[in-house]
Amino acid sequence: EDQVTQSPEALRLQEGESSSLNCSYTVSGLRGLFWYRQDPGKGPEFLFTLYSAGEEKEKERLKATLTKKESFLHITAPKPEDSATYLCAVNKLSFGAGTTVTVRA
Amino acid sequence: DAMVIQNPRYQVTQFGKPVTLSCSQTLNHNVMYWYQQKSSQAPKLLFHYYDKDFNNEADTPDNFQSRRPNTSFCFLDIRSPGLGDAAMYLCATSRAGDHNEQFFGPGTRLTVL
Repeated sequence: EDQVTQSPEALRLQEGESSSLNCSYTVSGLRGLFWYRQDPGKGPEFLFTLYSAGEEKEKERLKATLTKKESFLHITAPKPEDSATYLCAVNKLSFGAGTTVTVRA
Repeated sequence: DAMVIQNPRYQVTQFGKPVTLSCSQTLNHNVMYWYQQKSSQAPKLLFHYYDKDFNNEADTPDNFQSRRPNTSFCFLDIRSPGLGDAAMYLCATSRAGDHNEQFFGPGTRLTVL
């Protein structure tokens, strides 16, 4: 059974203070690791898909990386509008509980 | 814009009173999913359809049923809601294949009194 653990549960940042979120996973075979952003009271919104160790993808202030056991979502110089819960999912259907990021101006 | 639509956005029901949540999509995706998400928890997959083929997760309670009358629509029926069924219910769609991301609707917040 695929398992996903995200840490930390919550992260409070000052605007401009870069940080990283962790997604650790256990799978028998990785067919894809997905990152989503979820705003309060809304459905998740797709950010990235990663397939193999060493792969990296970037979008604005976000950069996702992947190893054989975990993925990181790096937020560089965050702005208040980056405040959200970030979810990762492995093999499409197994989600972690998310990291809630709050960025203060 | 192509999208996933869920109605209603908020649903209040009484303990034991059946309720139906609906989802429609304009993306023409052949896979549709229903998730249950409780506060600060991971979305939990209830079931999904690959075209008309229904796939039920092993731990989805019998109290939850689903219908997909055509490609565009999917319904979630909760036959006898309990207090523990209060949650956000998310509908999602995707193209077939493990590498294709899911597109989520805005969710329906269910309250059980």
